[in-house]
Amino acid sequence: DILATQSPDSLAVSLGERATINCKTSQSVFYSSDNKNYLAWYQQKPGQPPKLLIYWSFIRESGVPDRFSGSGSGTDFTLTISSLQAEDAAVYYCQHYYSIPTFGQGTTVEIK
Amino acid sequence: EVRLVESGGGLVQPGGSLRLSCAASGFTFSRYWMHWVRQAPGKGLEWVSRMNTDGSSTIYADSVKGRFTISRDNAKNTVYLQMNSLRAEDTAVYYCARDRGGGCCYDYWGQGTLVTVSS
Repeated sequence: DILATQSPDSLAVSLGERATINCKTSQSVFYSSDNKNYLAWYQQKPGQPPKLLIYWSFIRESGVPDRFSGSGSGTDFTLTISSLQAEDAAVYYCQHYYSIPTFGQGTTVEIK
Repeated sequence: EVRLVESGGGLVQPGGSLRLSCAASGFTFSRYWMHWVRQAPGKGLEWVSRMNTDGSSTIYADSVKGRFTISRDNAKNTVYLQMNSLRAEDTAVYYCARDRGGGCCYDYWGQGTLVTVSS
């Protein structure tokens, strides 16, 4: 199975500053036949189910603020929150769906 | 409005069985793959199982293979997870989720149902 490892495990960022979360997969999740990276990002707040933010590594789900962006290819991916807002405090997960899906361990984003 | 509502969770002894249900509404259920994802208390997300639109294809995480069975009834807009030989490590909130399309990611999630395996 392909594993996904996130870094850091947690980070504290001031309001209005940039937050960057990394996700590294143990094998490439790029499928050359459709030129897509099979990777998504989710946000989860306490007591709530996860919310899809980004899919195909960079496509923002409808309704997701444009301060959230995804980048990367192959095995290395990044979720960036360009200007952190109070409501962005949450746990963020990457997930690959190239084969048997797996999630990263999660990254907790706190307000400094 | 898309809604997914799980039910069937509860307290069960090790070795016991439970069947979870997820009732879907607000979309054409038969056109979407469906998944189960679980989250142990205070832990991260673990994908459990997936079924395609007509039930002809299923896959499972190694941790549940041979013990859990996913199924669906498109006439009732419901997906199920039959869980047998339950273990303490199966204790978790179980979410059903809709596949965004063709084996992608999950765009709608239920609120989850808690399964506790304990004597």
